[in-house]
Amino acid sequence: GQQLNQSPQSMFIQEGEDVSMNCTSSSIFNTWLWYKQDPGEGPVLLIALYKAGELTSNGRLTAQFGITRKDSFLNISASIPSDVGIYFCAGLGYALNFGKGTSLLVTP
Amino acid sequence: NAGVTQTPKFQVLKTGQSMTLQCAQDMNHNSMYWYRQDPGMGLRLIYYSASEGTTDKGEVPNGYNVSRLNKREFSLRLESAAPSQTSVYFCASTYSSANYGYTFGSGTRLTVV
Repeated sequence: GQQLNQSPQSMFIQEGEDVSMNCTSSSIFNTWLWYKQDPGEGPVLLIALYKAGELTSNGRLTAQFGITRKDSFLNISASIPSDVGIYFCAGLGYALNFGKGTSLLVTP
Repeated sequence: NAGVTQTPKFQVLKTGQSMTLQCAQDMNHNSMYWYRQDPGMGLRLIYYSASEGTTDKGEVPNGYNVSRLNKREFSLRLESAAPSQTSVYFCASTYSSANYGYTFGSGTRLTVV
């Protein structure tokens, strides 16, 4: 499968802080997605990006589709304890290719 | 609104045993997928079925077989389980393979001893 490099691997932050994570690929994708996984559950879609350069928001979440179509960024503003989980980037080829995830811990 | 249902939720197998993981969706989706998730590895595609009657290998198909029984159901079979197959298995579905809207089940946690 196509390699997606996601960073950082983990983040430990205080409630109220902003968070940034990113994903790069050796291949071009025409669709980038960001998922969140809660413990014991399957991933849930947060944001989908369809056009290079696109910036899309979903509440406190903002994601961007890189101009080269080989990268994407996710920002979470004013983090809260329920933001805890693993965040995955994914590029859509013949199926979804996932990054290895960013584990986010938020302390009150 | 069941979405994607996976059974069983947990399973322990001995090396060499066989078992089938079941997946069913009630959203009239055409495409279905099996992923495995290992710590620090993200989700890796095992097999997928773009439409009823077709199946294709993904990134890590060795040691697995699949059956698209009908439009609703897509099963994953381990013929001779190995400890390396200890993992969490997720089934997902979407209306079209060109569509981003994958819906995931809650997973099957398999341990092979």
